[in-house]
Amino acid sequence: QVQLKESGPGLVKPSETLSLNCDVSGFSISTGHYWGWIRQSPGKGFEFMASVFHTGSTYYNPSLKSRITLSLDTSKNQVSLRLNSVTAADTAIYYCVRDRGSSAIFDSWGQGTLVTVSS
Amino acid sequence: DIQMTQSPSSLSASVGDRVTITCRASQSITKFLNWFQQKPGQAPKLLIYGASRLESGVPPRFSGRGSGRDFTLTISNLQPEDFATYYCQQGDSTPATFGQGTRLDIK
Repeated sequence: QVQLKESGPGLVKPSETLSLNCDVSGFSISTGHYWGWIRQSPGKGFEFMASVFHTGSTYYNPSLKSRITLSLDTSKNQVSLRLNSVTAADTAIYYCVRDRGSSAIFDSWGQGTLVTVSS
Repeated sequence: DIQMTQSPSSLSASVGDRVTITCRASQSITKFLNWFQQKPGQAPKLLIYGASRLESGVPPRFSGRGSGRDFTLTISNLQPEDFATYYCQQGDSTPATFGQGTRLDIK
């Protein structure tokens, strides 16, 4: 059974870079599926951020495209997110997800990690 | 982006009741509609995908219908563990988008 676990700083200063890792267990990310990030905030609800295919090809939400980078580390079975130039609007719970198909079926979620952007 | 609108935003029901939640897309999404359940402090859990396909391990009291723009999630014989917030999500067009949620609480 696949399990995902997010890790990273819970507090980031405005204008800095938010970096999160997602450790995947029970499934090798190099063998298939898309892997992505979704965030949830009280004001905006759920927002799909980005996904990466097991081959390394990426899709970024156009609303974030200029600030976001997603990568895979198959040696660590890990997915990483970087979001530049953060503001208070980026305060949210960030979830790592598995998308098992080409039609955005998010069948596995990490527990989520709260990131607050504040000085 | 495709906008997803759920109704009602909240509802109250009793154990044993049957409830229906509606989700409408701003344009046709054929059958690429998924439903999630989220409990406080937890990640969402996939219940239904492809509008009507029950995810493995999900009780059959949950059912989904619809196509095009209009979809429903029905929960029959409500159980205490079903009181939660429910979200729809479309996977027809990128980026995937979610409804604002329907909170189901105990009457």
